[in-house]
Amino acid sequence: EAQVTQNPRYLITVTGKKLTVTCSQNMNHEYMSWYRQDPGLGLRQIYYSMNVEVTDKGDVPEGYKVSRKEKRNFPLILESPSPNQTSLYFCASVPSPSSYNSPLHFGNGTRLTVT
Amino acid sequence: QQQVKQSPQSLIVQKGGISIINCAYENTAFDYFPWYQQFPGKGPALLIAIRPDVSEKKEGRFTISFNKSAKQFSLHIMDSQPGDSATYFCAASTTGAGSYQLTFGKGTKLSVIP
Repeated sequence: EAQVTQNPRYLITVTGKKLTVTCSQNMNHEYMSWYRQDPGLGLRQIYYSMNVEVTDKGDVPEGYKVSRKEKRNFPLILESPSPNQTSLYFCASVPSPSSYNSPLHFGNGTRLTVT
Repeated sequence: QQQVKQSPQSLIVQKGGISIINCAYENTAFDYFPWYQQFPGKGPALLIAIRPDVSEKKEGRFTISFNKSAKQFSLHIMDSQPGDSATYFCAASTTGAGSYQLTFGKGTKLSVIP
């Protein structure tokens, strides 16, 4: 089954403790992206990657890092989480950066709470 | 700068009624307008999309109306059902921009009551 898999689904952590949220897709997609969803703010893009070793900032990149060493994986790293990063996070992918009419395939989300 | 404004933030509709969600955009370079549907505990999924060369697109009970001159588009859900209860996001992008980029509205939480 074609899918985007995020882990973990739920994560509670404390301020300053480094964490990684993993994202993997099995569709051989070139383009991957991370979003955060907050009430009243909708979906905001954090980082995206157009291919292996090619990443760029989205609208809200502060406090986050990403890497794209393999085509299928696009982990989101919070090196020093803070409470304002408490949010619902989604990973998404499309076949290529020029797949303008293709739907974004989303994972089922990771709910992060930073205390 | 919010490039896609969506309203209302929440909507309650009686079963069988019509649900209407509106979006307005500012960037005239946008030329692809999808709507995403999100159920609780799930990621958003594409529901229906339109390009500005048509004024309306219908898929089953879901219709997008598009007004290019007003820079507005809307989602109409006819004969709304409790199973339609979800959060809906409008979005916009510019094809041929060099990289896939979707700008989302802030979302509308729809509740359809029996």
